[in-house]
Amino acid sequence: QKEVEQNSGPLSVPEGAIASLNCTYSDRGSQSFFWYRQYSGKSPELIMFIYSNGDKEDGRFTAQLNKASQYVSLLIRDSQPSDSATYLCAVRRAGNNRKLIWGLGTSLAVNP
Amino acid sequence: KAGVTQTPRYLIKTRGQQVTLSCSPISGHRSVSWYQQTPGQGLQFLFEYFSETQRNKGNFPGRFSGRQFSNSRSEMNVSTLELGDSALYLCASRRRQGVREAFFGQGTRLTVV
Repeated sequence: QKEVEQNSGPLSVPEGAIASLNCTYSDRGSQSFFWYRQYSGKSPELIMFIYSNGDKEDGRFTAQLNKASQYVSLLIRDSQPSDSATYLCAVRRAGNNRKLIWGLGTSLAVNP
Repeated sequence: KAGVTQTPRYLIKTRGQQVTLSCSPISGHRSVSWYQQTPGQGLQFLFEYFSETQRNKGNFPGRFSGRQFSNSRSEMNVSTLELGDSALYLCASRRRQGVREAFFGQGTRLTVV
């Protein structure tokens, strides 16, 4: 079992719909959770981070964290074709070795 | 403000050779992390440097090494290249350890033939 798992997709949604991206992690002690977006041929860019249970909203993006169930999700409202990219979930462990562990990413296609 | 700069952008090397990649972080950032990205394994952490000291290390063989200079620029070196080392190598800078947001460079695409 990989430490951070994401559905590879592709996830296809129509323009204007809500895209829901999910990520599960295995280390219960994980403390910080990140969503990055990576366009093809480009480097990852941070969209949001969350570290408390519940929802965190930033514009059209909402991150949801449920530590008991060990999942974190990203909702994109009013999806636009420009949101088409791979979305990477990353988790930072607790303790001294606080490196980021990454999922393989979910490919999202927003169709006009 | 300039972003994270990685050089070179593309590189083709032969098996058995060695390679050095460079990363210049955002001005004022002192933490530099290196990652290897492949389609099958995704992003994998190599190491992190802060104030010229390696602070964290991933699970890569000793052929992968790095260093950081006093101006925070960092280099990573891969010796005795293998075909499986073909990947996109990304570096990310943070102002310091403990800061959540990391900014990535455009990466160096290494192809080993």
